Amino acid sequence: DQQVKQNSPSLSVQEGRISILNCDYTNSMFDYFLWYKKYPAEGPTFLISISSIKDKNEDGRFTVFLNKSAKHLSLHIVPSQPGDSAVYFCAASAGTGNQFYFGTGTSLTVIP
Amino acid sequence: NAGVTQTPKFQVLKTGQSMTLQCAQDMNHNSMYWYRQDPGMGLRLIYYSASEGTTDKGEVPNGYNVSRLNKREFSLRLESAAPSQTSVYFCASSDDVGPRETQYFGPGTRLLVL
Repeated sequence: DQQVKQNSPSLSVQEGRISILNCDYTNSMFDYFLWYKKYPAEGPTFLISISSIKDKNEDGRFTVFLNKSAKHLSLHIVPSQPGDSAVYFCAASAGTGNQFYFGTGTSLTVIP
Repeated sequence: NAGVTQTPKFQVLKTGQSMTLQCAQDMNHNSMYWYRQDPGMGLRLIYYSASEGTTDKGEVPNGYNVSRLNKREFSLRLESAAPSQTSVYFCASSDDVGPRETQYFGPGTRLLVL
């Protein structure tokens, strides 16, 4: 049973506009969340993280929002650039475990 | 500084054949991981090694064995490959094992079992 879900397999956005990628989770024990970015034929690379004690974390053009009551997080990319075109995975972990649980990924295409 | 490297990049096996996927990291990380990625599924943890000489099962360990040869290298062995093991395999490493550690991934090995 998938504990971390990304319900949108793909997303297309115009260059310069905002990209919003969504992620839902079911396990209330998760308290740390990450986003990874993956280009074709490469491994995922870490993008940004957020702890459950926060509801927002920002790093340049990337902002992650966490809504614990809804068990939902989102990644905002503003402004979107063609180089942002990639597959984005969200992942979650619980404070007592050693394992990350990954979503299925959302393929973002930024159209020039 | 190559980061995490994996060999081979691509492999075709027949059902029942065995093979070993190799992984090495040059970041002096203590912890290493093996994941598989299948269509419609997220990355799933097969095995991990918190430190040299230790290994632990992840979410989907059946059909696999691992060896933490030294601090740098962590191999994944399929003793008798099955079509269900067709997947993309990623190796990763981190400073330490734990839910707050950022993992660094290799480029992946694409395995096809016929």
